[in-house]
Parts: sequence; structure tokens; C-alpha cells
Amino acid sequence: GDSVTQMEGPVTLSEEAFLTINCTYTATGYPSLFWYVQYPGEGLQLLLKATKADDKGSNKGFEATYRKETTSFHLEKGSVQVSDSAVYFCALSPNQAGTALIFGKGTTLSVSS
Amino acid sequence: GAGVSQSPRYKVAKRGQDVALRCDPISGHVSLFWYQQALGQGPEFLTYFQNEAQLDKSGLPSDRFFAERPEGSVSTLKIQRTQQEDSAVYLCASSLAGGPRNTEAFFGQGTRLTVV
Repeated sequence: GDSVTQMEGPVTLSEEAFLTINCTYTATGYPSLFWYVQYPGEGLQLLLKATKADDKGSNKGFEATYRKETTSFHLEKGSVQVSDSAVYFCALSPNQAGTALIFGKGTTLSVSS
Repeated sequence: GAGVSQSPRYKVAKRGQDVALRCDPISGHVSLFWYQQALGQGPEFLTYFQNEAQLDKSGLPSDRFFAERPEGSVSTLKIQRTQQEDSAVYLCASSLAGGPRNTEAFFGQGTRLTVV
């Protein structure tokens, strides 16, 4: 079945460091890909998404490119801030209407000043 | 508020007790999803409603789990005869129509269920 694998955390960085969180997927057809973020005490929020190969999703300085050849959707940010500390989830939506998201296990990011 | 609201935020149940978890989606949202998130894991799909119709319940782990959305707005997830393995955060999400491919899914803060 479809699945998402993301790098295990926690990831600990200093402010202004470069961030990469790896995500790979297994799916039939052409899924849509997502990154969700969960800040402490809050619900999951959509961070960015890409719906077809080579699309780049971006938001709040974060970027991820849908790479079909490597079945990857790695999350990157050039300069992290303390406020980026959160749990990040990679997810996919299979190529069918009305289907639910399939999530990875989440990666905890901790940024210190 | 304008977001997805879940209640209670925390629930402690004795093993064997029945529980009911409530989700108030964003007004006008047609699609509603329930997920279960165990500690240290990502959310896992339980069930999906389009208006009042439960179109997919393939993720419900056993017949002790039951969900309803009788008027196409508020939804209730009921767990009968709770077991320790039911301890998790239960998340509700809603979206305008269809699935997350088409419209953004908005999540509630979840209900943390602890079965003792």
C-alpha cells in the first residue's frame, strides 16, 4: 500500500542554520504531496503542497520539490528561526478523490538561539 | 471561533468504559475526516464523511469504533468498551469538498484519550 517515510528526529539546529528533512514515498499513480506542521499546543497546519512532478511548494521560507524519479519530497529552509521549532509531517494523498492523507511519523525540529 | 473544534481536549477513561468524542467542523465544510495518532506516530485515517454520508470507514480498527454525522455538520466518534491500546490523540479534519488533493484540510487540536 501507499506509505511515507521521513527521517527520524529529533533534529536540533542553531538559529540561522540550514534545514533539510528527508521524505520519501511509495504510491501507485500520481499522488499529491504535503508537508504539515504542528506547533506546540496547536493543531496540524498545512505548510506547503505539490500536486505533480517537478512542482515546488513553498511557504514561510520553506520549500519542497516533488521528485518523481527519486520518489522524494524533502523539506528545506535556508535559515531556521527559533519559532520554527515544531513537529513536521510529510504526507501524501493518493490519486483518488475524497481519500484521506497518509502521514509519515513526524520529525521534531528544535531550534536554539 | 472559525476553526475546527474538538471536545473534550483530554479524556481519561477506565478500561471497559464507553467514550464519545465530538468534532465541530468549520461551517460549510462538506468533508470530515477522523484520524488516530498514537504517541510518536503520524496520524492514521479512521473514517471519512461527505455531508452526512459515511463514505469510507476502512480505517476503523474494530467494531468497537463507531462514527456518525447525522446532520452533516457535527460529528461524534464513539468508542465502546475502551481498551488500553485505544489510548491516542484523535484528530478531526474538515475541508470544503472532496479530499486534501483539492481543498485544504483544517485540523482540530485533537482529543487526547488515555485508557487506564
